[in-house]
Amino acid sequence: DTGVSQNPRHKITKRGQNVTFRCDPISEHNRLYWYRQTLGQGPEFLTYFQNEAQLEKSRLLSDRFSAERPKGSFSTLEIQRTEQGDSAMYLCASSFSGVAVLQETQYFGPGTRLLVL
Amino acid sequence: GNSVTQMEGPVTLSEEAFLTINCTYTATGYPSLFWYVQYPGEGLQLLLKATKADDKGSNKGFEATYRKETTSFHLEKGSVQVSDSAVYFCGLTSGTYKYIFGTGTRLKVLA
Repeated sequence: DTGVSQNPRHKITKRGQNVTFRCDPISEHNRLYWYRQTLGQGPEFLTYFQNEAQLEKSRLLSDRFSAERPKGSFSTLEIQRTEQGDSAMYLCASSFSGVAVLQETQYFGPGTRLLVL
Repeated sequence: GNSVTQMEGPVTLSEEAFLTINCTYTATGYPSLFWYVQYPGEGLQLLLKATKADDKGSNKGFEATYRKETTSFHLEKGSVQVSDSAVYFCGLTSGTYKYIFGTGTRLKVLA
C-alpha cells in the first residue's frame, strides 16, 4: 500500500498525559499537513511542512502541540498535557509540489482517533 | 475569511434516486473547489475538483460545476447506489496550501 499511513489508529489516554502520533506520507510527496476533525465537523487545518520546514501553523495549534518532520519524510504530532477538548480525529495528508498550488491534490491518511478521559 | 457551507445531513435516498448536495462558499480571489468522500473507517478521498469558474469536475458518475456568480459547487449524481453511502465534504483552497472544508453531509442509500 503506497498511501498515507498513520499510527496508531486509535489512542485512549488520561487527561494530563502526553501522546504522539506518527504520519508516513506518500514517498515522493514533499508537503505534509496535519488537520483535526471533531465529531460532526469537517477537518480543520493545523500545520503544514514543506520538506522538513514547518511553514504555517494554525491558531488552533496551542503551545501544548508540537509537530516535527525531521528528515522531510515521516512526521510526528505530539500533544502534551492532554485535555478532554483534545479528543478528535487527527488527520495527516501529503502532496507533491511539482504543480501549481491550485492544481495540487492532498492525499489523506485514515487518521488517528484520540479519546482523552 | 474563507468559508464553506454545505447542506446538513443525513440525506437518505433509495437506490437509483437523484442526488444533490448543496455547497456554497465565501472566498477572496479565485479558489479551487473540491469534493472529498469519506467511507466508513477510511480516510478522505478526493472525489472531484474544479480550479476555475464554469469548470465541471466529474468522477464515478458524480458531477459538480464551479459557479462563480452564485458562489456554489453543488454535487450531483443521477442514480445513487448503496455503495455511495458515505460522508461528503465540500471544500476550497485559495492560493495557500490550507484546505477549508464544510461540515460534511452524510448520505445513506437504501436498497
